[in-house]
Amino acid sequence: GAVVSQHPSWVICKSGTSVKIECRSLDFQATTMFWYRQFPKQSLMLMATSNEGSKATYEQGVEKDKFLINHASLTLSTLTVTSAHPEDSSFYICSALGTGGQETQYFGPGTRLLVL
Amino acid sequence: LAKTTQPISMDSYEGQEVNITCSHNNIATNDYITWYQQFPSQGPRFIIQGYKTKVTNEVASLFIPADRKSSTLSLPRVSLSDTAVYYCLGPPGTGANNLFFGTGTRLTVIP
Repeated sequence: GAVVSQHPSWVICKSGTSVKIECRSLDFQATTMFWYRQFPKQSLMLMATSNEGSKATYEQGVEKDKFLINHASLTLSTLTVTSAHPEDSSFYICSALGTGGQETQYFGPGTRLLVL
Repeated sequence: LAKTTQPISMDSYEGQEVNITCSHNNIATNDYITWYQQFPSQGPRFIIQGYKTKVTNEVASLFIPADRKSSTLSLPRVSLSDTAVYYCLGPPGTGANNLFFGTGTRLTVIP
């Protein structure tokens, strides 16, 4: 149980294009999902909190117009990197908050983005 | 912004028990502590979670003292496949009392 998937697993795009990454909770409903970014040999950095049916909450320094988050259903959140540039190349990981009261995060497998 | 503190790296021989300690001085009263394992180019994988005293599952044990300002992950008889980065974490979310990902501990198991 508590499986989270991400699609695509990797993507290569040209500078200036937009890329959408999907995060799905496969066997549970998640009213809250999180998006992280991880650069090589560094820790995960929280980008934003995605709440179903409401606007996402972004961490300080993360541009909301650059990283668009939509959480339209209880099992799907999407992150769109708009007008991607090479410095946006990173490993993007989502997590979904499990049920049960202990606020356990279950992480997706990650999406590797390379912007040329 | 409160972060956890862990040793950056540890080495261990196969078959030994490994203990990784995490400091979380600002943990809130109701917060659970969760440990994750991450392999390169993969998302973190849940290992174990606890609130206080000792919790054990099929892969690890977790010790949390009474003051709850630290926790220790214990991996019995590690193997080469346990080479990974281990993170301790409180509940997610924003706010000064929430614990964000720290550096993690890079465990290298040596044959």
